[in-house]
Amino acid sequence: KAGVTQTPRYLIKTRGQQVTLSCSPISGHRSVSWYQQTPGQGLQFLFEYFSETQRNKGNFPGRFSGRQFSNSRSEMNVSTLELGDSALYLCASSSRGGAGYGYTFGSGTRLTVV
Amino acid sequence: DQQVKQNSPSLSVQEGRISILNCDYTNSMFDYFLWYKKYPAEGPTFLISISSIKDKNEDGRFTVFLNKSAKHLSLHIVPSQPGDSAVYFCAASLDSWGKLQFGAGTQVVVTP
Repeated sequence: KAGVTQTPRYLIKTRGQQVTLSCSPISGHRSVSWYQQTPGQGLQFLFEYFSETQRNKGNFPGRFSGRQFSNSRSEMNVSTLELGDSALYLCASSSRGGAGYGYTFGSGTRLTVV
Repeated sequence: DQQVKQNSPSLSVQEGRISILNCDYTNSMFDYFLWYKKYPAEGPTFLISISSIKDKNEDGRFTVFLNKSAKHLSLHIVPSQPGDSAVYFCAASLDSWGKLQFGAGTQVVVTP
């Protein structure tokens, strides 16, 4: 079956712009989580959605937002981009208790802010 | 506040030998622990998990050990293979659905 699909794979944006990243989970998976990976901070949790509802949120400023659609696809948005937002953004999906059975990650979107 | 720590940034091991990766945590409320492997330009791949009610879980060449009193877990890979060369992350969660808190990762290099 198809894995977790993230689009686009690479993105270059200018400071102050906004960006929207997309994630299509594995068919049947209703939980979608987003993570940011940077060399300095490692993998950090952004938020988790289940059945269109945000269940958990990490310690990121309000410029970072997300949503989940009825087909479980998810988007995350970053407004007023800063240079420090340059990172690999990873999406993960799970059909049930992800921590017990393991979330499946996509290959990520590499965002570069210039 | 880094609640999950991997203090060894790198590990080199010979093919066929055992790889032992270590992870320490500070929050005694963590309920699940997971290990992921990551190759460059790919997302992390789930390897194995363990709940806090167990002290060992095996899956093929991978075994995870949990020592709750020491707040320590380890991943054993036996035997190590060249394809195991990757960055390994441990992660912890407060519940089965909770956010994962990751360690900084350990780069494993398996040499012939």
